Amino acid sequence: KQEVTQIPAALSVPEGENLVLNCSFTDSAIYNLQWFRQDPGKGLTSLLLIQSSQREQTSGRLNASLDKSSGRSTLYIAASQPGDSATYLCAVRRGTGRRALTFGSGTRLQVQP
Amino acid sequence: DTAVSQTPKYLVTQMGNDKSIKCEQNLGHDTMYWYKQDSKKFLKIMFSYNNKELIINETVPNRFSPKSPDKAHLNLHINSLELGDSAVYFCASSQSGQGYEKLFFGSGTQLSVL
Repeated sequence: KQEVTQIPAALSVPEGENLVLNCSFTDSAIYNLQWFRQDPGKGLTSLLLIQSSQREQTSGRLNASLDKSSGRSTLYIAASQPGDSATYLCAVRRGTGRRALTFGSGTRLQVQP
Repeated sequence: DTAVSQTPKYLVTQMGNDKSIKCEQNLGHDTMYWYKQDSKKFLKIMFSYNNKELIINETVPNRFSPKSPDKAHLNLHINSLELGDSAVYFCASSQSGQGYEKLFFGSGTQLSVL
């Protein structure tokens, strides 16, 4: 059974800092991995999606890496801003053809102005 | 225009009642999902429909019955509500066969069973 763990559970940083969020998964037979952002009272917004054959994806100040063999992914946020404050969720899609995602419990990020 | 919209946003009801949550997507996707987010913030898949056909049912009690009248809609009906059903329910959609299948989520329905 796939399990996804995110560390740390919460993180508070001053504005401008670079930071790394970690995600680990127990079954390396994944199809892809997605990072989402969840704002309070709102749905999830997909930030980056990495296919199992890829090593990283970049979008603006965000960079996500994937090491499938070790079951790890990181989300790097450069020059953090108060608007980055949210919960960041990592999710893996099973490699069996089923389309469900298995989510971690998230990292709650607060960027202090 | 909202891509995935679900109603209502909040639902407060008594134990034993029957309630429905509606979801619609205007992205032209062929696959829709219901996820449940519990108090510990874990999101877990409940159902998935592809072209109106059920493809995933993750050991959800049969009090929960999804209905997909067409591929743009996936409604969730819950019978005999229990306290443990209190959670945030998210609808999502994706397009299969593209290799990426990025998921788009609705804003959630917070269900409180009293």
